[in-house]
Amino acid sequence: GAGVSQSPSNKVTEKGKDVELRCDPISGHTALYWYRQSLGQGLEFLIYFQGNSAPDKSGLPSDRFSAERTGGSVSTLTIQRTQQEDSAVYLCASSLAGPLTGQGKAFFGQGTRLTVV
Amino acid sequence: SQQGEEDPQALSIQEGENATMNCSYKTSINNLQWYRQNSGRGLVHLILIRSNEREKHSGRLRVTLDTSKKSSSLLITASRAADTASYFCATDAERRFGAGTRLTVKP
Repeated sequence: GAGVSQSPSNKVTEKGKDVELRCDPISGHTALYWYRQSLGQGLEFLIYFQGNSAPDKSGLPSDRFSAERTGGSVSTLTIQRTQQEDSAVYLCASSLAGPLTGQGKAFFGQGTRLTVV
Repeated sequence: SQQGEEDPQALSIQEGENATMNCSYKTSINNLQWYRQNSGRGLVHLILIRSNEREKHSGRLRVTLDTSKKSSSLLITASRAADTASYFCATDAERRFGAGTRLTVKP
């Protein structure tokens, strides 16, 4: 596609339910990132995928959060047993190459606004 | 630790004035980028400056980089109401952003 696509754009879920957020990166981009942004706050890094390398999961806040990237393309962020503090905008970004190439330019999707009630 | 810490946290100016935002980082970098965010949704890449560059221009944007001080600045000249947004910096690791600078340009 022309840009990074995220779905759904909005999601309201009940506390304790599981949710799946989807990210379609730009075709050919090997690097994919997930961030979380609470209202009025900065971006909180969650996880980073680069090609076939093991993902950097250092930003995942708890074991209720997991993500996978199938076939080096689409990624799904799963939050199990959602809590109210999980309410935030979840942003996905992709870039042509990883951080050491000097390219660096990341393209962001419009995010999924998750509300846990 | 956070890469890309911006200051000030908030900046309010009149249309036509210049706006300057600063960014500090902690480790060696290959490049540093500035992004803009409207309305709490996706970020848009503005400009990238490489570690061997000291200054770069793009339209009304001017970015400087001082690797000895591990800092960068973004200058928006002749600001417009449409420049109202949050501005973030990130280094080439792209995994850490600061809290951003919230710029408000009053018409």
